[in-house]
Amino acid sequence: EIVMTQSPATLSVSPGERATLSCRASQSVGSNLAWYQQKPGQAPRLLIYGPSTRATGIPARFSGSGSGTEFTLTISSLQSEDFAVYYCQQYNNWPLTFGGGTKVEIK
Amino acid sequence: QVQLVESGGGLVKPGGSLRLSCAASGFTFSDYYMSWIRQAPGKGLEWVSYISSSGITIYYADSVKGRFTISRDNAKNSLYLQMNSLRAEDTAVYYCARVGVGALIFDYWGQGTLVTVSS
Repeated sequence: EIVMTQSPATLSVSPGERATLSCRASQSVGSNLAWYQQKPGQAPRLLIYGPSTRATGIPARFSGSGSGTEFTLTISSLQSEDFAVYYCQQYNNWPLTFGGGTKVEIK
Repeated sequence: QVQLVESGGGLVKPGGSLRLSCAASGFTFSDYYMSWIRQAPGKGLEWVSYISSSGITIYYADSVKGRFTISRDNAKNSLYLQMNSLRAEDTAVYYCARVGVGALIFDYWGQGTLVTVSS
């Protein structure tokens, strides 16, 4: 099983600032990496996959990069609605696995 | 618009059974692969099971293999998860999710249904 490790666990950022979230895979997943956003009491929402293609309706301030074992999700200028938990997911191998999440909170 | 609505969750005793359903609308259900994903209270996401559009190809997480059965009825636009021999560690919100075209990503999710396994 591929283990996905996200860092940091919590990121404190002021509105308008840039946030950089990391995701590391225990072995190469190629470009088969997706990011999801989850707000309290809601289902996750697909943000980015492949690992830099934004899903439908996702603002351009969200961008993804990386390949192999190291991936990054960048939120260029945090808006109030962006404070949430973010999960990465690899889809290169079965079983499909998620990282433990990064909580982005207001500083 | 795409809608996925789960039902069937509730409180069940250890060793008991439960059947979850997911009603799909707003897209051609029979064209899409589907999955179940769960989230224990206060924890992260765990993929549970996957089924191809025809129902022929099925995968399970090791944690549920032999106890859970995924199925679908394309005529009814519905996805199911039969859960047997339930354990306390199966307590979670269970999400039904549509698998994206060309990639094993989850592009639409239901709102989830809570399963609580407790005596």
